[in-house]
Amino acid sequence: DAGITQSPRHKVTETGTPVTLRCHQTENHRYMYWYRQDPGHGLRLIHYSYGVKDTDKGEVSDGYSVSRSKTEDFLLTLESATSSQTSVYFCALASGDTQYFGPGTRLTVL
Amino acid sequence: DQQVKQNSPSLSVQEGRISILNCDYTNSMFDYFLWYKKYPAEGPTFLISISSIKDKNEDGRFTVFLNKSAKHLSLHIVPSQPGDSAVYFCAASAPQGAQKLVFGQGTRLTINP
Repeated sequence: DAGITQSPRHKVTETGTPVTLRCHQTENHRYMYWYRQDPGHGLRLIHYSYGVKDTDKGEVSDGYSVSRSKTEDFLLTLESATSSQTSVYFCALASGDTQYFGPGTRLTVL
Repeated sequence: DQQVKQNSPSLSVQEGRISILNCDYTNSMFDYFLWYKKYPAEGPTFLISISSIKDKNEDGRFTVFLNKSAKHLSLHIVPSQPGDSAVYFCAASAPQGAQKLVFGQGTRLTINP
């Protein structure tokens, strides 16, 4: 158990509304990541962070922004949600060469 | 451009037999490979990994084999148990400092009694 929690676990929202997902770690890991999982695509990296206020884009970053104002929290924001962003979102942290994942957030955009 | 591919979406194996899950990659810069197991409604859990300086790593019932020349890795589960039924993802990373992972599409393994 890498001490990662995600909130909310489930969310239904409407197209055009802003949405923020939260990832919280109880340890002091430097690297944190946001992925989305979709059928046929595995997990794809959205954004990652390598320290407080240090973030970078991943493979599928369009339409998403992130913030990390303190080590333990990594926020993912959809500025204006679209139906194509309906997905399961996973947060992860790196410990050594291995990433450990949170339980996921299922987001539905109607 | 799918850099990591799992060409079998599903695999069905009888309990007690060997399960072999395969993964191919195209990026020769990848030097570290991992397998994750995922149950429905849960996050992926780390299973086993291998560095490119090795060709085999074993942990209990799980063994990962790496063939660098073929850019291929496989996960062997022996003996297979009903609790092994899950989706398995392979992932790879390159030595770029951020430990970013590239995942395959996943293989759904079903162990039949």
